[in-house]
Amino acid sequence: GAVVSQHPSWVICKSGTSVKIECRSLDFQATTMFWYRQFPKQSLMLMATSNEGSKATYEQGVEKDKFLINHASLTLSTLTVTSAHPEDSSFYICSARGPGGEDYGYTFGSGTRLTVV
Amino acid sequence: DAKTTQPPSMDCAEGRAANLPCNHSTISGNEYVYWYRQIHSQGPQYIIHGLKNNETNEMASLIITEDRKSSTLILPHATLRDTAVYYCIVRVAGNAGNMLTFGGGTRLMVKP
Repeated sequence: GAVVSQHPSWVICKSGTSVKIECRSLDFQATTMFWYRQFPKQSLMLMATSNEGSKATYEQGVEKDKFLINHASLTLSTLTVTSAHPEDSSFYICSARGPGGEDYGYTFGSGTRLTVV
Repeated sequence: DAKTTQPPSMDCAEGRAANLPCNHSTISGNEYVYWYRQIHSQGPQYIIHGLKNNETNEMASLIITEDRKSSTLILPHATLRDTAVYYCIVRVAGNAGNMLTFGGGTRLMVKP
């Protein structure tokens, strides 16, 4: 089945530094990928929609200059958290719409736990 | 996409059937019901989806009422590994580029 690989699975960084998270569709092409954020004991909240070859679309309240998204190929989208602060500590999850017609194929990555110290 | 309502938590004994309800009273005729689950510290996993007929796969069964205003996800023989948050999502299928919107979900605890 469709597989989405997310890397790293966890990262600890110092406040003020930047962190890049990669999301790859391993066996299919994904023109659209989605980035979610999840705080402890809360549901997933969509941050942005990443489209290959064009600018990402950000949800209201998400700072596009802080959360840089690049979707340069049909199999790779990256999320860079710039100048990270402790309040950015969260579980970040990417998703890609899988191949084929009927979309049971919203496949999710395994998530990246970011801790900013 | 139609809003869904789920109980925040449920318990189930290991080996018994887990029945997770979902209300979606404002569902439109072209909206499907999807179920995903999220095991702790992992990404969500697709379980099953349906439009109006009951559906069954190797993981679960989906029962949709005739008026489509509610549905039930059934895990026939729950195991400890089924402990997770289960999300019921209603959306139009085949709509390229549309994201999944997650509600609060139901936290299912399977107990020995």
